[in-house]
Amino acid sequence: LAKTTQPISMDSYEGQEVNITCSHNNIATNDYITWYQQFPSQGPRFIIQGYKTKVTNEVASLFIPADRKSSTLSLPRVSLSDTAVYYCLVGPISNYQLIWGAGTKLIIKP
Amino acid sequence: NAGVTQTPKFRILKIGQSMTLQCTQDMNHNYMYWYRQDPGMGLKLIYYSVGAGITDKGEVPNGYNVSRSTTEDFPLRLELAAPSQTSVYFCASSYSGTPLSVYEQYFGPGTRLTVT
Repeated sequence: LAKTTQPISMDSYEGQEVNITCSHNNIATNDYITWYQQFPSQGPRFIIQGYKTKVTNEVASLFIPADRKSSTLSLPRVSLSDTAVYYCLVGPISNYQLIWGAGTKLIIKP
Repeated sequence: NAGVTQTPKFRILKIGQSMTLQCTQDMNHNYMYWYRQDPGMGLKLIYYSVGAGITDKGEVPNGYNVSRSTTEDFPLRLELAAPSQTSVYFCASSYSGTPLSVYEQYFGPGTRLTVT
Protein backbone atom coordinates (compact mmCIF):
# COMPACT_ATOMS: atom_id res chain seq x y z
CA LEU A 1 0.00 0.00 0.00
CA ALA A 2 1.21 3.48 -0.87
CA LYS A 3 2.73 5.51 1.96
CA THR A 4 1.50 9.08 2.34
CA THR A 5 3.25 12.13 3.76
CA GLN A 6 1.39 15.24 4.91
CA PRO A 7 2.42 18.31 6.90
CA ILE A 8 1.82 17.78 10.61
CA SER A 9 0.07 21.13 11.02
CA MET A 10 -0.99 24.28 9.18
CA ASP A 11 -2.43 27.64 10.16
CA SER A 12 -4.60 29.97 8.13
CA TYR A 13 -7.17 32.74 8.55
CA GLU A 14 -10.88 32.95 8.00
CA GLY A 15 -11.85 33.71 4.42
CA GLN A 16 -8.61 32.38 2.95
CA GLU A 17 -8.23 29.44 0.59
CA VAL A 18 -6.29 26.59 2.19
CA ASN A 19 -4.35 23.99 0.26
CA ILE A 20 -3.11 20.82 1.97
CA THR A 21 -0.71 18.69 -0.04
CA CYS A 22 -0.19 14.98 0.38
CA SER A 23 2.81 13.18 -1.09
CA HIS A 24 2.41 9.57 -2.26
CA ASN A 25 5.47 8.81 -4.40
CA ASN A 26 4.84 5.06 -4.70
CA ILE A 27 1.18 5.27 -5.69
CA ALA A 28 0.10 2.30 -7.81
CA THR A 29 -1.87 2.37 -11.04
CA ASN A 30 -5.05 1.11 -9.39
CA ASP A 31 -4.81 3.33 -6.29
CA TYR A 32 -7.38 6.01 -5.53
CA ILE A 33 -6.91 9.07 -3.32
CA THR A 34 -9.39 9.85 -0.57
CA TRP A 35 -9.54 12.68 1.98
CA TYR A 36 -11.29 12.69 5.34
CA GLN A 37 -11.92 15.41 7.93
CA GLN A 38 -12.03 14.78 11.67
CA PHE A 39 -13.23 17.24 14.31
CA PRO A 40 -12.16 16.77 17.94
CA SER A 41 -14.07 14.00 19.72
CA GLN A 42 -15.81 12.91 16.52
CA GLY A 43 -15.37 10.19 13.94
CA PRO A 44 -13.83 11.07 10.58
CA ARG A 45 -16.02 12.36 7.78
CA PHE A 46 -15.49 11.62 4.07
CA ILE A 47 -14.69 14.78 2.08
CA ILE A 48 -13.65 13.87 -1.44
CA GLN A 49 -12.08 11.19 -3.61
CA GLY A 50 -10.30 11.14 -6.96
CA TYR A 51 -8.05 9.28 -9.37
CA LYS A 52 -6.58 11.98 -11.62
CA THR A 53 -6.92 15.64 -12.66
CA LYS A 54 -9.48 17.61 -10.67
CA VAL A 55 -12.52 16.69 -8.65
CA THR A 56 -14.84 19.24 -7.05
CA ASN A 57 -17.81 18.92 -4.74
CA GLU A 58 -19.73 21.31 -2.52
CA VAL A 59 -17.08 21.15 0.20
CA ALA A 60 -13.67 21.00 -1.47
CA SER A 61 -11.60 20.45 -4.58
CA LEU A 62 -8.98 17.78 -5.13
CA PHE A 63 -6.12 18.42 -7.55
CA ILE A 64 -4.06 15.47 -8.79
CA PRO A 65 -1.17 16.08 -11.22
CA ALA A 66 -0.51 13.78 -14.16
CA ASP A 67 2.18 11.76 -12.36
CA ARG A 68 -0.20 11.26 -9.38
CA LYS A 69 2.72 11.36 -6.92
CA SER A 70 0.96 14.01 -4.89
CA SER A 71 -2.49 15.47 -4.38
CA THR A 72 -3.78 18.76 -3.01
CA LEU A 73 -6.96 19.27 -1.06
CA SER A 74 -8.26 22.79 -1.54
CA LEU A 75 -10.72 24.34 0.91
CA PRO A 76 -12.19 27.61 -0.38
CA ARG A 77 -12.86 30.52 1.98
CA VAL A 78 -12.32 28.65 5.23
CA SER A 79 -14.09 29.49 8.46
CA LEU A 80 -13.30 28.74 12.10
CA SER A 81 -15.41 25.59 11.81
CA ASP A 82 -12.94 24.13 9.32
CA THR A 83 -10.44 23.67 12.15
CA ALA A 84 -9.90 19.91 12.12
CA VAL A 85 -7.48 17.13 11.23
CA TYR A 86 -7.40 16.22 7.54
CA TYR A 87 -6.30 12.74 6.42
CA CYS A 88 -5.08 11.69 2.99
CA LEU A 89 -5.53 7.99 2.20
CA VAL A 90 -4.31 6.08 -0.83
CA GLY A 91 -5.34 2.57 -1.76
CA PRO A 92 -6.70 0.29 -4.49
CA ILE A 93 -10.31 -0.41 -5.37
CA SER A 94 -12.06 -2.76 -2.97
CA ASN A 95 -9.19 -2.71 -0.48
CA TYR A 96 -10.80 -2.82 2.92
CA GLN A 97 -7.69 -1.99 4.88
CA LEU A 98 -7.28 1.74 4.54
CA ILE A 99 -4.00 3.03 5.96
CA TRP A 100 -4.41 6.18 8.05
CA GLY A 101 -1.46 8.44 8.78
CA ALA A 102 -1.40 11.06 11.51
CA GLY A 103 -3.06 13.63 9.23
CA THR A 104 -2.67 17.40 9.03
CA LYS A 105 -3.98 19.49 11.89
CA LEU A 106 -5.46 22.64 10.34
CA ILE A 107 -6.07 25.60 12.63
CA ILE A 108 -8.13 28.52 11.32
CA LYS A 109 -7.67 31.83 13.09
CA PRO A 110 -10.10 34.76 13.16
CA ASN B 1 -31.97 7.93 9.95
CA ALA B 2 -29.50 7.72 12.86
CA GLY B 3 -26.51 6.56 10.79
CA VAL B 4 -23.92 4.69 12.86
CA THR B 5 -24.53 4.55 16.61
CA GLN B 6 -22.12 3.29 19.26
CA THR B 7 -22.57 2.47 22.93
CA PRO B 8 -21.28 3.22 25.45
CA LYS B 9 -19.72 6.67 24.92
CA PHE B 10 -17.25 6.20 27.77
CA ARG B 11 -16.08 3.25 29.81
CA ILE B 12 -13.44 2.53 32.40
CA LEU B 13 -12.31 -1.07 32.77
CA LYS B 14 -10.01 -2.75 35.21
CA ILE B 15 -7.20 -4.90 33.88
CA GLY B 16 -8.48 -8.37 33.07
CA GLN B 17 -12.13 -7.37 32.70
CA SER B 18 -14.09 -7.95 29.50
CA MET B 19 -16.66 -5.88 27.68
CA THR B 20 -18.55 -5.54 24.43
CA LEU B 21 -18.67 -2.34 22.42
CA GLN B 22 -21.91 -2.09 20.50
CA CYS B 23 -22.27 -0.73 16.96
CA THR B 24 -25.44 -0.43 14.91
CA GLN B 25 -26.09 1.14 11.53
CA ASP B 26 -29.43 1.81 9.85
CA MET B 27 -28.19 2.53 6.32
CA ASN B 28 -28.34 -1.09 5.13
CA HIS B 29 -24.59 -1.08 4.51
CA ASN B 30 -22.96 -4.44 3.99
CA TYR B 31 -19.46 -3.31 4.97
CA MET B 32 -18.64 -2.53 8.58
CA TYR B 33 -15.37 -1.77 10.35
CA TRP B 34 -13.87 -1.33 13.78
CA TYR B 35 -10.96 1.07 14.31
CA ARG B 36 -8.99 2.29 17.26
CA GLN B 37 -7.38 5.70 17.49
CA ASP B 38 -4.63 6.52 19.96
CA PRO B 39 -3.96 10.19 20.89
CA GLY B 40 -2.48 12.21 18.01
CA MET B 41 -2.46 9.21 15.70
CA GLY B 42 -4.42 8.00 12.72
CA LEU B 43 -6.91 5.16 12.85
CA LYS B 44 -5.89 1.51 12.89
CA LEU B 45 -8.23 -1.16 11.57
CA ILE B 46 -9.06 -3.90 14.08
CA TYR B 47 -11.62 -6.01 12.23
CA TYR B 48 -13.94 -5.61 9.30
CA SER B 49 -16.95 -7.39 7.84
CA VAL B 50 -18.25 -7.52 4.27
CA GLY B 51 -21.62 -8.94 5.25
CA ALA B 52 -23.55 -10.89 7.84
CA GLY B 53 -21.60 -13.95 8.91
CA ILE B 54 -18.33 -12.77 7.31
CA THR B 55 -15.55 -11.12 9.30
CA ASP B 56 -11.82 -10.70 8.83
CA LYS B 57 -8.83 -9.35 10.72
CA GLY B 58 -7.41 -5.92 10.16
CA GLU B 59 -4.06 -4.47 11.16
CA VAL B 60 -4.37 -4.86 14.96
CA PRO B 61 -6.79 -7.71 15.85
CA ASN B 62 -5.01 -9.18 18.90
CA GLY B 63 -7.08 -8.96 22.08
CA TYR B 64 -10.35 -8.40 20.22
CA ASN B 65 -13.14 -10.47 18.70
CA VAL B 66 -16.11 -9.62 16.53
CA SER B 67 -19.28 -11.20 15.24
CA ARG B 68 -21.75 -10.16 12.56
CA SER B 69 -25.06 -11.99 12.89
CA THR B 70 -27.13 -9.25 11.22
CA THR B 71 -26.50 -6.54 8.64
CA GLU B 72 -27.16 -3.83 11.23
CA ASP B 73 -24.99 -4.90 14.16
CA PHE B 74 -21.25 -5.39 14.52
CA PRO B 75 -20.21 -5.74 18.18
CA LEU B 76 -16.56 -5.69 19.26
CA ARG B 77 -15.56 -7.86 22.20
CA LEU B 78 -12.56 -7.10 24.39
CA GLU B 79 -11.35 -10.08 26.40
CA LEU B 80 -8.95 -9.65 29.33
CA ALA B 81 -8.56 -5.89 28.99
CA ALA B 82 -5.02 -4.49 29.11
CA PRO B 83 -3.76 -0.88 29.52
CA SER B 84 -2.55 -1.02 25.88
CA GLN B 85 -6.21 -1.16 24.84
CA THR B 86 -6.86 2.31 26.24
CA SER B 87 -8.00 4.18 23.15
CA VAL B 88 -10.94 5.67 21.29
CA TYR B 89 -12.84 3.07 19.29
CA PHE B 90 -14.73 3.96 16.14
CA CYS B 91 -17.18 1.85 14.24
CA ALA B 92 -17.83 2.63 10.58
CA SER B 93 -19.89 1.32 7.70
CA SER B 94 -19.92 1.72 3.95
CA TYR B 95 -22.09 0.85 1.00
CA SER B 96 -21.07 -2.15 -1.10
CA GLY B 97 -22.68 -1.13 -4.39
CA THR B 98 -19.52 0.02 -6.18
CA PRO B 99 -15.82 -0.86 -5.82
CA LEU B 100 -15.02 2.67 -4.67
CA SER B 101 -17.70 2.79 -2.00
CA VAL B 102 -15.41 1.13 0.55
CA TYR B 103 -13.56 4.44 0.71
CA GLU B 104 -16.65 6.45 1.67
CA GLN B 105 -17.06 5.25 5.21
CA TYR B 106 -19.58 6.61 7.71
CA PHE B 107 -18.32 6.75 11.26
CA GLY B 108 -20.00 6.56 14.62
CA PRO B 109 -19.24 9.02 17.45
CA GLY B 110 -16.75 6.70 19.12
CA THR B 111 -16.29 4.99 22.48
CA ARG B 112 -13.58 6.31 24.77
CA LEU B 113 -12.16 3.36 26.73
CA THR B 114 -9.71 3.54 29.60
CA VAL B 115 -8.14 0.41 31.09
CA THR B 116 -6.51 0.86 34.50
